Amino acid sequence: ETGVTQTPRHLVMGMTNKKSLKCEQHLGHNAMYWYKQSAKKPLELMFVYSLEERVENNSVPSRFSPECPNSSHLFLHLHTLQPEDSALYLCASSQEQGPSLYGYTFGSGTRLTVV
Amino acid sequence: QQPVQSPQAVILREGEDAVINCSSSKALYSVHWYRQKHGEAPVFLMILLKGGEQKGHEKISASFNEKKQQSSLYLTASQLSYSGTYFCGTPDNQAGTALIFGKGTTLSVSS
Repeated sequence: ETGVTQTPRHLVMGMTNKKSLKCEQHLGHNAMYWYKQSAKKPLELMFVYSLEERVENNSVPSRFSPECPNSSHLFLHLHTLQPEDSALYLCASSQEQGPSLYGYTFGSGTRLTVV
Repeated sequence: QQPVQSPQAVILREGEDAVINCSSSKALYSVHWYRQKHGEAPVFLMILLKGGEQKGHEKISASFNEKKQQSSLYLTASQLSYSGTYFCGTPDNQAGTALIFGKGTTLSVSS
């Protein structure tokens, strides 16, 4: 596979559940990002990882916990979410951290519904 | 602080032109443009760097005026395939840790 792959594509979870979103990139990029996309809201930056180290946590509630075990994989662990957390969660990667000359490559996202 | 895009939505017929604007209240070092089709991932179109340069991608071009802290995306002779939501992204700080995006402009092109 090439590009950025996110699984699952769709996820429905209860407020007491624990689940994880997975992102995998096969581009040899050094930076990875989590964004949240809600209806009528801009893409909201959540977390930034560069060379497997977290470099930014954009005031995200602790019920979201990222993990980057290596430069190809990024996870978002979810627990005790709220209905307002329902959104499309997008993973992206770039050659280097920040506004890369070659842009970000986004995955297709995980559509999360919290019931 | 997120960039501000205008207009929010544009409706065009094939062959018509459109301009989408992106402005910021703070100094801009670069501007990215992305297009997202319904149900798909955002796709990188181009990056504009300081210097007022213009870039092009197919019949889509853009300009960047760092003095005015704004960028404009020009869609010429639009095609059906241009439909989607266009986002501009700017670095979140001078260090450029990551991009923050505007709310997007939805473009609908019909035949």
